[in-house]
Amino acid sequence: GQQLNQSPQSMFIQEGEDVSMNCTSSSIFNTWLWYKQEPGEGPVLLIALYKAGELTSNGRLTAQFGITRKDSFLNISASIPSDVGIYFCAGQGGGSNYKLTFGKGTLLTVNP
Amino acid sequence: NAGVTQTPKFQVLKTGQSMTLQCAQDMNHNSMYWYRQDPGMGLRLIYYSASEGTTDKGEVPNGYNVSRLNKREFSLRLESAAPSQTSVYFCASSEFSPWASGIGDTQYFGPGTRLTVL
Repeated sequence: GQQLNQSPQSMFIQEGEDVSMNCTSSSIFNTWLWYKQEPGEGPVLLIALYKAGELTSNGRLTAQFGITRKDSFLNISASIPSDVGIYFCAGQGGGSNYKLTFGKGTLLTVNP
Repeated sequence: NAGVTQTPKFQVLKTGQSMTLQCAQDMNHNSMYWYRQDPGMGLRLIYYSASEGTTDKGEVPNGYNVSRLNKREFSLRLESAAPSQTSVYFCASSEFSPWASGIGDTQYFGPGTRLTVL
């Protein structure tokens, strides 16, 4: 099956710093999604990307769909304590590989 | 517009007991999903339903059954619970259909059910 490698596994940063995390795939994806999960809650969709090269922002968050269609990154600028959580990437292939594949997540801790 | 709702929020079972987890969505979505989330394992797909009356096995279907009652509701049943089924269960839905092109599988998740099997 398809595999997603998400890195880093965890990050511990100071408030105000910028954050970058990425996902790489062994196969081509048609859709990339980024989710955030806070403790005790379900994943919440942050950004959806549907075209190679697409760069999309949502407030302080920016995500890009890699040109090769095998990677995506998420940047968070000027982090704040409420950015704490687990960030997941997910990718969807084409044809028979249409089920979403999830990365294992990046745990972000922000020190005030 | 409540999105995806799940009941119950918490449940404790004894080994061998049965129970059904309920999920409903009010977004008129075609596809619905059940995942389990365990530490270090990420989200793993249990079952999937592309439309009312159709279901498909995911990565970890053993020990579970599902029922797509109508377009809104998708339930997950544990017939004989085992300690290995202790987990957090998430339901999700999306507009995606494998029979229609041009719609990505953008999934929206419920708040989860935290299940402990003793």
